[in-house]
Amino acid sequence: QVTLRESGPALVKPTQTLTLACTYSGFSLSTPGMSVSWIRQPPGKALEWLALIDWGDDKFYSTSLKTRLTISKDTSKTQVVLTMTTLHPVDTGTYYCARTGMGTTEAFDIWGQGTVVTVSS
Amino acid sequence: QSALTQPASVSGSPGQSITISCTGTSDDIGTYKYVSWYQQYPGKVPTLLIYAASSRPSGVSNRFSGSKFGNTASLTIAGLQAEDEADYYCSSYATGSWVFGGGTKVTVL
Repeated sequence: QVTLRESGPALVKPTQTLTLACTYSGFSLSTPGMSVSWIRQPPGKALEWLALIDWGDDKFYSTSLKTRLTISKDTSKTQVVLTMTTLHPVDTGTYYCARTGMGTTEAFDIWGQGTVVTVSS
Repeated sequence: QSALTQPASVSGSPGQSITISCTGTSDDIGTYKYVSWYQQYPGKVPTLLIYAASSRPSGVSNRFSGSKFGNTASLTIAGLQAEDEADYYCSSYATGSWVFGGGTKVTVL
């Protein structure tokens, strides 16, 4: 069974750095074709793709946020970590990690439950 | 990397068919077949309905179907049911990035 679980702080102050972890199981991020993305959703708003890291350690970022984002993976810990710098209140929302599998090309087939992040002083 | 354009809301009566459009550009939907659709109930996690524009993952009802023509993709829900009332999002690959639509709220009258 494939699962992903996000973890990180629920409250972050403006200008601080956010670090989120996605712990996955049931698949290997070393398998060709596999990747994990971070996607966020402000309250009452649409989904927004943030970043992706693939099996070969290639990394892709949202054009509008790339200067603030860093994605990395630790396959020994089965974790993908997202760092976002200089948080603003508009960064408040639910942050999901999601897998792209080999069979569902470029689609997010399994999602974590999400972690809610509030940016406030 | 602009968001894909979806209607804010679509409604239909039980048993009817509805179609949700998702309009992009030649940089995304117009070039790639990698369009996917997601269903999200309030307060819940999105789930994959359609991938590669028209393929359904196992376990997804065949009442959901997808298509793509030019820069526009579409999701059709046939035989609308009360349980289909939810938000629906399209997404497309776009050369090293992914983009979502603004979401469509489906109401079953």
